[in-house]
Amino acid sequence: QLQLQESGPGLVKPSETLSLTCTVSGGAISSSGYFWGWIRQPPGKGLEWIGNIYYSGTTYYNPSLKSRVTISVDTSTNQFSLNLSSVTAADTAVYFCAQVDTYYYGMNVWGQGTTVTVSS
Amino acid sequence: QTVVTQEPSFSVSPGGTVTLTCGLSSGSVSTSDYPSWYQQTPGQAPRTLIYSTNIRSSGVPDRFSGSILGNKAALTITGAQADDESDYYCMLYLGSGIWVFGGGTKLIVL
Repeated sequence: QLQLQESGPGLVKPSETLSLTCTVSGGAISSSGYFWGWIRQPPGKGLEWIGNIYYSGTTYYNPSLKSRVTISVDTSTNQFSLNLSSVTAADTAVYFCAQVDTYYYGMNVWGQGTTVTVSS
Repeated sequence: QTVVTQEPSFSVSPGGTVTLTCGLSSGSVSTSDYPSWYQQTPGQAPRTLIYSTNIRSSGVPDRFSGSILGNKAALTITGAQADDESDYYCMLYLGSGIWVFGGGTKLIVL
């Protein structure tokens, strides 16, 4: 059974870079047919798509975050990562990683989420 | 900027039927937008209910169904149960590598 697990610092200082990793188990990240994505949810608010990556390295980003976001993939460790630069308090959120179907364009499997707080 | 619209809240009686909708600020939603639906309870990760308009995710009961109604995507819950009380989000694939979530609907069962 495919499982995704987010990891990374729970506290980031303003203006610094938020870095998270999603570890995929129970399946290969290099499987064709899937993107791997990041979604976030600020406290008390809705879901926001951040971006997706294919195992080949092709990326797709939310235009509103594109200038600050980098998503990368490491097939040797079965992980993909999120870097969000120049963070502010508005980037405080629960960050989820997910498997995204390339045929149906929906999220199949979700990680449990990790809370990141931006504060000095 | 394209906005995906959902009702902020909805209520349904236990055993009743409710239809939540997902629209676009400009234009109509079609199957080509691959609408998907997610259920989320407080403190939990979202759960995938429906993808590509009307395909139920594994393990999702058939009282959850998806469709296109007029110019919107729709999620219908028949025989609502108390544990259906959740937030429901739709997501659309707008093409060119852009996905957008709606603002979510808080469903109250009472």
